[in-house]
Amino acid sequence: QVQLVESGGGVVQPGRSLRLSCAASGFTFKNDGIHWVRQAPGKGLEWVAVIWYDGSNKYYGDSVKGRFTISRDNSKNTLYLQMNSLRAEDTAVYYCAREGLGASGIFLDYWGQGTLVTVSS
Amino acid sequence: DIQMTQSPSSLSASVGDRVTITCRASQSISNYLNWYQQKPGKAPKLLVYAASTLQSGVPSRFSASGSGTDFTLTISSLQPEDFATYYCQQSYRTGFVFGPGTKVDIK
Repeated sequence: QVQLVESGGGVVQPGRSLRLSCAASGFTFKNDGIHWVRQAPGKGLEWVAVIWYDGSNKYYGDSVKGRFTISRDNSKNTLYLQMNSLRAEDTAVYYCAREGLGASGIFLDYWGQGTLVTVSS
Repeated sequence: DIQMTQSPSSLSASVGDRVTITCRASQSISNYLNWYQQKPGKAPKLLVYAASTLQSGVPSRFSASGSGTDFTLTISSLQPEDFATYYCQQSYRTGFVFGPGTKVDIK
């Protein structure tokens, strides 16, 4: 069965960096785009970033552009999110999600359980 | 950027009620619209993609429709396991913005 397992969350000071990982199994990882989505405590879902199946294209939400970098290692079935210059407003649960592709755009059909990032001094 | 709104932001309903949630896009997105259900402390779950296609395994009491800028998600007979927050998401353009959510709780 499809599984996505995030790791790497924790407490970090403002301005510092953190790298999240998402380990995938149960599907052919190298064939699928993967997204990061986050959710601040008590708030709604915010789309963060996507990387194409082969890593050739990456797109970011405006709030993280220039600070976060999405990458993947298809030989390890693992997705990453490098987060630099962290701010208090980056505090959230971060989910990775697999992209499904239909005739009318993409959808996120499998999600990990999330990892909590807390940015605080 | 495409903005998404949902109404209502919350609603109280009873088991067996028919519930309708509305999602509106700031510009036409054709049928590039997804719906997700999220329960407290859990990851979101895909319910509907392409505006009206139910994801495999989603009960038939859920239905969805719409095109252009206006979309609806309907639960024909609310069940105890349906109390959750529902989000729409546009997939028309990168940015893949989510709506702010509609919380459905027990009356």
